Amino acid sequence: SQQGEEDPQALSIQEGENATMNCSYKTSINNLQWYRQNSGRGLVHLILIRSNEREKHSGRLRVTLDTSKKSSSLLITASRAADTASYFCATDGTGANNLFFGTGTRLTVIP
Amino acid sequence: SAVISQKPSRDICQRGTSLTIQCQVDSQVTMMFWYRQQPGQSLTLIATANQGSEATYESGFVIDKFPISRPNLTFSTLTVSNMSPEDSSIYLCSVVGGKRYTEAFFGQGTRLTVV
Repeated sequence: SQQGEEDPQALSIQEGENATMNCSYKTSINNLQWYRQNSGRGLVHLILIRSNEREKHSGRLRVTLDTSKKSSSLLITASRAADTASYFCATDGTGANNLFFGTGTRLTVIP
Repeated sequence: SAVISQKPSRDICQRGTSLTIQCQVDSQVTMMFWYRQQPGQSLTLIATANQGSEATYESGFVIDKFPISRPNLTFSTLTVSNMSPEDSSIYLCSVVGGKRYTEAFFGQGTRLTVV
C-alpha cells in the first residue's frame, strides 16, 4: 500500500498556538499535498510542494518536505477555532494519476 | 479549478438495497476518481472512471459491488449494490486539475448509512 502515515492522530491546542502535523510516505513522489476536511465533508486543497522544494509558505501555513526521509510537516501558526478539522497529506506516487492519502490528523483548536 | 456537484449528500438505506451516487463536474475531465472513507479513517480509492472504457478497480473492490458509469466527460455515477452495514461510509468523487500532478478537487461527499 502506498498510503502514508500521519502523526499525531489527534491534536488539541489552544487558540493562538501553533499546530504541527507530520506525514511519512513510502514511495518516490513528484509532489506532496495537504488537504483539509471539515466534519466528513469533501476535501479542500491547502498547499502543494514539489519534490525539488524543501519549504513552502501560504498565509499561516508552512510546509516542509524531506525526500531523503520521505517525510513532510504542516505547520499552522496562530491557530484559530475555525482551523478545527482533519488534515491529510497526499502523494501522487510514481505512475499513478490518483492520490494516496495519509491516515490524517484530527486537529481541535479550543477557543 | 473545478466545481463538483455530488448527490445525494446523505442517505439511510436498508440492507440488501442499492444506492446510486451522482457526480457532476463543471468542466470536461478525462479521469474521475471514486473514494471511500470509512468512519474516522482515511480515503481509499475504489476505482478510476474513464470516459469510453470500463472503470479500473483497486484491489478489494469489484465491479459487481460498485458498478460505475461514465457516459461523458462531465458526469459519473457510482452504485453501491446489495448494501450491508459494512458499506456505511462517506463516498467521495474527485477530479484532478487540468495538468498532471496538480491539486485534486472533491465533491462534498455522500454520507451513507446502511441499517
